[in-house]
Amino acid sequence: GEDVEQSLFLSVREGDSSVINCTYTDSSSTYLYWYKQEPGAGLQLLTYIFSNMDMKQDQRLTVLLNKKDKHLSLRIADTQTGDSAIYFCAEERGKLIFGQGTELSVKP
Amino acid sequence: NAGVTQTPKFRVLKTGQSMTLLCAQDMNHEYMYWYRQDPGMGLRLIHYSVGEGTTAKGEVPDGYNVSRLKKQNFLLGLESAAPSQTSVYFCASNDFLEPRGQGYTFGSGTRLTVV
Repeated sequence: GEDVEQSLFLSVREGDSSVINCTYTDSSSTYLYWYKQEPGAGLQLLTYIFSNMDMKQDQRLTVLLNKKDKHLSLRIADTQTGDSAIYFCAEERGKLIFGQGTELSVKP
Repeated sequence: NAGVTQTPKFRVLKTGQSMTLLCAQDMNHEYMYWYRQDPGMGLRLIHYSVGEGTTAKGEVPDGYNVSRLKKQNFLLGLESAAPSQTSVYFCASNDFLEPRGQGYTFGSGTRLTVV
């Protein structure tokens, strides 16, 4: 998706926090999503946030939304090796527009 | 089980051959989508449909055609396959009901190789 930008790689140590960032371009997007894709698998919805919210927390996951800067982030607390995957942010404009995906590598 | 089913799961085509990918959903969703996934490029929308009998172009429609003759099925066709169409294809559907986050359901993907 050319309108949604993510960095391609992130490497962290097990137990650390991971922060994956995303910028989007359409301020009228109402919902923003984070999906996880493990190797060879399909897409798993992790969480989503409505555009009138600044933050959403769900167990180890925290989503922050800065609507002014069109910036979305996903924080994973106490990152585990099982969190190694590609993470996609997506904005909804009647259809999902995806970022390029951030490959998270968790080292023991 | 309710969900989105894609067939086939894997396929190898020769350049110039044609094929149809089938997406079937049993959730009575109005909206259906076809995406392709390539390394470093995320998922890009090929075509989508907002209801039976309708189709619309997405971001990368060239070389593909689609049909939505029945509400539950969304077909993606490649008339003359090219190596550039080697990719993983995902189908999705949505009802746009609340809570919205649960609305998009993805299939498990079709891995297509064109040689």
